Amino acid sequence: EVQLVQSGPEVKKPGESLKISCKASGYSFTVYWIVWVRQMPGKGLEWMGIIYPGDSDTRYSPSFRGQVTISADKSISTAYLQWSSLKASDTAMYYCVRPEVAANAGGAFDIWGQGTMVTVS
Amino acid sequence: QSALTQPASVSGSPGQSITISCTGTSSDVGSYNLDSWYQQHPGKAPKLLISEVRKRPSGVSNRFSGSKSGHTASLTISGLQAEDEADYYCCSYAGSSTLYVFGTGTKVTVL
Repeated sequence: EVQLVQSGPEVKKPGESLKISCKASGYSFTVYWIVWVRQMPGKGLEWMGIIYPGDSDTRYSPSFRGQVTISADKSISTAYLQWSSLKASDTAMYYCVRPEVAANAGGAFDIWGQGTMVTVS
Repeated sequence: QSALTQPASVSGSPGQSITISCTGTSSDVGSYNLDSWYQQHPGKAPKLLISEVRKRPSGVSNRFSGSKSGHTASLTISGLQAEDEADYYCCSYAGSSTLYVFGTGTKVTVL
C-alpha cells in the first residue's frame, strides 16, 4: 500500500525549533516529488514547498521561502519540514503530499499524509 | 500569486446537482489543463476527486465531474448525498516558478 505516515502532534513555545517528518512506503521514494501543504485552523490549503528526493532539488512558495526548510533522507524514505524559530502564526496542520505522476511536479496530489498538528503557544 | 476564487458556500437538497466554480487567471487555470479538485471532511486529510480538469481516480464516484471554460474550472456533484457535505478545494498548476495555487475553498451543505 502506498502511504505517507507523518510524525505526531507537537506543542512548542515561540522561538523553539522543530522538525517534523513524513515517511513514505509502498513506492519508489526517489522518483516522486513530495509537497508540503499548510492548513491554518479553519482556513484553506497553501502549498509551502516541494522536494525531489532523488537529487534533493527543493523549491519554495514565495510565501514560505526563508521561513522553513525542506529536506529528505532517501536512505530512510523520509521527508522533513523544519523551523528554526517558531512563531504563534505557525500554528497549523501540515500535510505531506505526493503528486500522482512520477518525476512530475505539476500533477494532482493523490497521496496525502494524515497531517501533523503543530501548536505554538 | 493570489489564491483561486471559489464561492465560500454552496448548498443543495439530496438528489440535486450543484456546481462549484474556481476562477483563476491566464497564468494558472487558463494556461494548463492541470486543474484538480479535493474533498475534505472535518478532521480529515483532503482526498483527490478530479485531476487534469476531468479525470476521476479509481474509486471516486462518477457523481463527481470536472470541466473548464477559459479561466474557470468547475466541479459538479450530481445526485447530492448527505456524505458529500464537506469542504472542496481546487488547485491549479501555475508554471515552473510558482508551481501551485489552491482555491479559497467551498463549504458544501446538504439541506
